[in-house]
Amino acid sequence: GAVVSQHPSWVICKSGTSVKIECRSLDFQATTMFWYRQFPKQSLMLMATSNEGSKATYEQGVEKDKFLINHASLTLSTLTVTSAHPEDSSFYICSARGGAGIQETQYFGPGTRLLVL
Amino acid sequence: KQEVTQIPAALSVPEGENLVLNCSFTDSAIYNLQWFRQDPGKGLTSLLLIQSSQREQTSGRLNASLDKSSGRSTLYIAASQPGDSATYLCAVTGNMLTFGGGTRLMVKP
Repeated sequence: GAVVSQHPSWVICKSGTSVKIECRSLDFQATTMFWYRQFPKQSLMLMATSNEGSKATYEQGVEKDKFLINHASLTLSTLTVTSAHPEDSSFYICSARGGAGIQETQYFGPGTRLLVL
Repeated sequence: KQEVTQIPAALSVPEGENLVLNCSFTDSAIYNLQWFRQDPGKGLTSLLLIQSSQREQTSGRLNASLDKSSGRSTLYIAASQPGDSATYLCAVTGNMLTFGGGTRLMVKP
């Protein structure tokens, strides 16, 4: 199946710093990428949807000025957590979809664990 | 808004048992349903994908069924093993991909 990578796999940072997470589709072009957040013992919650070359669409309750998403190419999307705080500590997972149709399969990255001290 | 519920939230069984995990969804207008496995601190591993026109999919000891009209899916695990211990998530694709809360499975040796 298609491969999606994330980098870094884990990161520890001080409160107030910004952290950038990369999501890459390695063997296909991803017209749409998704960013999810997962708190301990909870399910995945969609944060935002990004289409290559356009602004991301954020889910209700997700601060777009805090979670900056850039989908500059068909194989790379980045999520930047600006001025991170301890409550932003979570597991961030991206997924990528090759086709434009909603029914197309999403392929998930391995996740990035963020710990903000 | 689609809601996906998984029951039970947690399950502990002895090795060798056959078991069933349940997933229900409120909006039957879906394209497909997926079952994922997630190990602690890890990402998602896709297990089975059932298209809306299909009724079941099988892979090894896993069998997933889909009854779209009643908004239900089940994941059947035969002859469970300790290595099956993980959280199992179902997700339905409608207007968006919506995840259930997961079932944490522990298979005891």
